[in-house]
Amino acid sequence: AQSVAQPEDQVNVAEGNPLTVKCTYSVSGNPYLFWYVQYPNRGLQFLLKYITGDNLVKGSYGFEAEFNKSQTSFHLKKPSALVSDSALYFCAVRDNAGNNRKLIWGLGTSLAVNP
Amino acid sequence: NAGVTQTPKFQVLKTGQSMTLQCAQDMNHNSMYWYRQDPGMGLRLIYYSASEGTTDKGEVPNGYNVSRLNKREFSLRLESAAPSQTSVYFCASSEALGQYSNQPQHFGDGTRLSIL
Repeated sequence: AQSVAQPEDQVNVAEGNPLTVKCTYSVSGNPYLFWYVQYPNRGLQFLLKYITGDNLVKGSYGFEAEFNKSQTSFHLKKPSALVSDSALYFCAVRDNAGNNRKLIWGLGTSLAVNP
Repeated sequence: NAGVTQTPKFQVLKTGQSMTLQCAQDMNHNSMYWYRQDPGMGLRLIYYSASEGTTDKGEVPNGYNVSRLNKREFSLRLESAAPSQTSVYFCASSEALGQYSNQPQHFGDGTRLSIL
């Protein structure tokens, strides 16, 4: 069965330091992978996606994510964190093969960037 | 450009009351979705509409009904509210035509619903 995991409920980083928010997945076919961000009292906003091609995907607000097929991971990264990056981050995966191709959401990781 | 608009933003109901949550998108998107977000549970799909005129159950449809009124509007109805339906409800839309797509979803800012 397909699944997605965000192993850290919370990540704390200092402003200016690099940040990583982790996501691992399990699918039977090839994955479609997505990252979304949710600011307080707002809806989710799409950051980036991996469908095929280059393993390093660049997205909005300076974020990027690296698809690693052997480790079944799709970690979100940013070279230099901003206080305004503090938010809830969701990873989502869809299996592009098999009978179950529904979009599966992770439970979210709360990112706190400290000044 | 408003994107996805949800009304109301907040609502308090008594157990057994009914209400309809409204959602409209102005992006000419084909697919629309209703989710609920609860602490520790992430996002759970209630119902979706892969195209105008079609609706399908998601992960947690019990206690809810939906109507895809036209291409722009997708409403969610609670016929007899229960405390377990206290949640934040999000509507989303996507260019995707059909259930399975690599197109991203665009979300409204949610309706915060409390049922006493």
